Amino acid sequence: QSALTQPPSASGSPGQSVTISCTGTSSDVGGYNYVSWYQQHPGKAPKLMIYDVSKRPSGVPDRFSGSKSGNTASLTVSGLQAEDEADYYCNSFGGSNHVVFGGGTRLTVL
Amino acid sequence: EEQLVESGGGLVQPGGSLRVSCAASGFTFTAYWMGWVRQAPGKGLEWVADIKPDESEKYYVDSVKGRFTISRDNAKSSLYLQLNSLGAEDTAVYYCVRDIGWYRFDYWGQGTLVTVSS
Repeated sequence: QSALTQPPSASGSPGQSVTISCTGTSSDVGGYNYVSWYQQHPGKAPKLMIYDVSKRPSGVPDRFSGSKSGNTASLTVSGLQAEDEADYYCNSFGGSNHVVFGGGTRLTVL
Repeated sequence: EEQLVESGGGLVQPGGSLRVSCAASGFTFTAYWMGWVRQAPGKGLEWVADIKPDESEKYYVDSVKGRFTISRDNAKSSLYLQLNSLGAEDTAVYYCVRDIGWYRFDYWGQGTLVTVSS
């Protein structure tokens, strides 16, 4: 299975909102509501930010939200803060014990 | 507090072997699937392998099948990955992850670096 498609970069000013897309196929993103998003700061381990398309783990600010339409999932970060600058990865269950990750998006807070 | 701590990474020659380990604490280890995700330098994330709590099911990405073996010791709350026939393409940080089902990884270790080079 091919990797999910994410834009390599995204940016926004403090206080603004930014949306990162994650495009797959009907065999992964479009076929299941098991899309997750991870935040990774340089030199650190990834952290789960969103799971099941739109659910937030305990402790994740509600500025982070997720959605899905067809074969494309999206992560929206509202009220951008400096600490949101990081790499973001999506992943999706792909059926039959398969999982695919996106290539990652570097979010820059201007 | 849930914690995953990897160890065992290092420099290994092409064709060589290595075993990386992960010590889990702060949760009921036997209740969860566990897995490994790797990240090559400057690259994205790649799922490597997953194992069911009772070890009855194990799954691997195609590129490591026949070379890597995932295992666990529930008595020690530990996860392992045996890496054999290593190539330069296996150079990466290997992360231990807790899988809450359908490849949703809610806890990650700090990672251990495996470098394959002569």
